[in-house]
Amino acid sequence: KAGVTQTPRYLIKTRGQQVTLSCSPISGHRSVSWYQQTPGQGLQFLFEYFSETQRNKGNFPGRFSGRQFSNSRSEMNVSTLELGDSALYLCASSLEGQGYGHEQFFGPGTRLTVL
Amino acid sequence: DQQVKQNSPSLSVQEGRISILNCDYTNSMFDYFLWYKKYPAEGPTFLISISSIKDKNEDGRFTVFLNKSAKHLSLHIVPSQPGDSAVYFCAARTTSGTYKYIFGTGTRLKVLA
Repeated sequence: KAGVTQTPRYLIKTRGQQVTLSCSPISGHRSVSWYQQTPGQGLQFLFEYFSETQRNKGNFPGRFSGRQFSNSRSEMNVSTLELGDSALYLCASSLEGQGYGHEQFFGPGTRLTVL
Repeated sequence: DQQVKQNSPSLSVQEGRISILNCDYTNSMFDYFLWYKKYPAEGPTFLISISSIKDKNEDGRFTVFLNKSAKHLSLHIVPSQPGDSAVYFCAARTTSGTYKYIFGTGTRLKVLA
């Protein structure tokens, strides 16, 4: 079974631009969660999508948004990029979501650098 | 407000010895605790978990201990192997409101051959 895939793997943007990251979950998984990893902050939860609906949200500004498609693939968008948005963005998929099964499978991440 | 804390950013251990990674939490509403391992350029992979109703869970070389009164979680790796060198994250699942996972900041383990 193929794992979680994320594209692109690396991205360089400048301040003020917007960016879209993509995540394809494991086949059959309906929940996709997004995390931001920065040095010293660990993994910070952004949001979780399940069956095309945002089910849960972390404490990030409205510049961070996401969506999920009918095939469970998910995208996250960051608008008006700031230097502090430079991070590794991780996507994790699970069968039913964070409340039902505790194991999430993570993708390799997208490394975003904002100049 | 960091509800899950890993106070040691790094740890070095000799091959064959025990590695002990620690995690402290502040929220009594956590019902499940997990450890993930992360290699460079890869996403975290699930290692072991423990329910809040237990105090120990073992899986091969890995054992997780939970001390609820101290709000402390630890991961023991015995014996440590060079391939265990990675960043280890502890995570806790909150039951207040909707479920979500709170991760610690990670501890980089280096096992010396």
